[in-house]
Amino acid sequence: DAGITQSPRHKVTETGTPVTLRCHQTENHRYMYWYRQDPGHGLRLIHYSYGVKDTDKGEVSDGYSVSRSKTEDFLLTLESATSSQTSVYFCATKPGLAGGYEQYFGPGTRLTVT
Amino acid sequence: EDQVTQSPEALRLQEGESSSLNCSYTVSGLRGLFWYRQDPGKGPEFLFTLYSAGEEKEKERLKATLTKKESFLHITAPKPEDSATYLCAVPANQAGTALIFGKGTTLSVSS
Repeated sequence: DAGITQSPRHKVTETGTPVTLRCHQTENHRYMYWYRQDPGHGLRLIHYSYGVKDTDKGEVSDGYSVSRSKTEDFLLTLESATSSQTSVYFCATKPGLAGGYEQYFGPGTRLTVT
Repeated sequence: EDQVTQSPEALRLQEGESSSLNCSYTVSGLRGLFWYRQDPGKGPEFLFTLYSAGEEKEKERLKATLTKKESFLHITAPKPEDSATYLCAVPANQAGTALIFGKGTTLSVSS
């Protein structure tokens, strides 16, 4: 398994506050992803990164921003949390294109916005 | 639009009762189909990659197969520890930088 950790694992925050979730990987994988998982929707891509300082939007990127200043770290920021952002957030990584298309997932962060 | 549909949504089996899960997809130029297992409160765990029609992969009691329009995950003589949600996914675009996931099949195996 790719060495992927996420922090925090659980967080409760209030509407309107900023929140940052961290993903850390030890596999030197080029690609990193943030997904959210909600009942009835499955996993949906928020943002992804294809290298240091290289990021792009996914299907549900509104209200989220990301940053990647080092290969091993990918941060997801909710600028002003809303109740609709209550979800479980998963980070995933993938080697470069030559390494296949499968992604490897972290343990997830459960975020509750009250 | 690329889509992945899994059926059934939920499946209850008795221990030893074999069955299959279905994953149908509509994507131009398939660059792989992936199966994952997800236990409650955990991240998806990668199981298999299938790249071409006719390909099969096996792991313990699980066997994944692929046709041009769908994939099946066959579970032979399941045990309670096989209880989990099974997800399938396909790459979303030519660069394969993102995956489109189905909503999953939740399997419950009782002893």
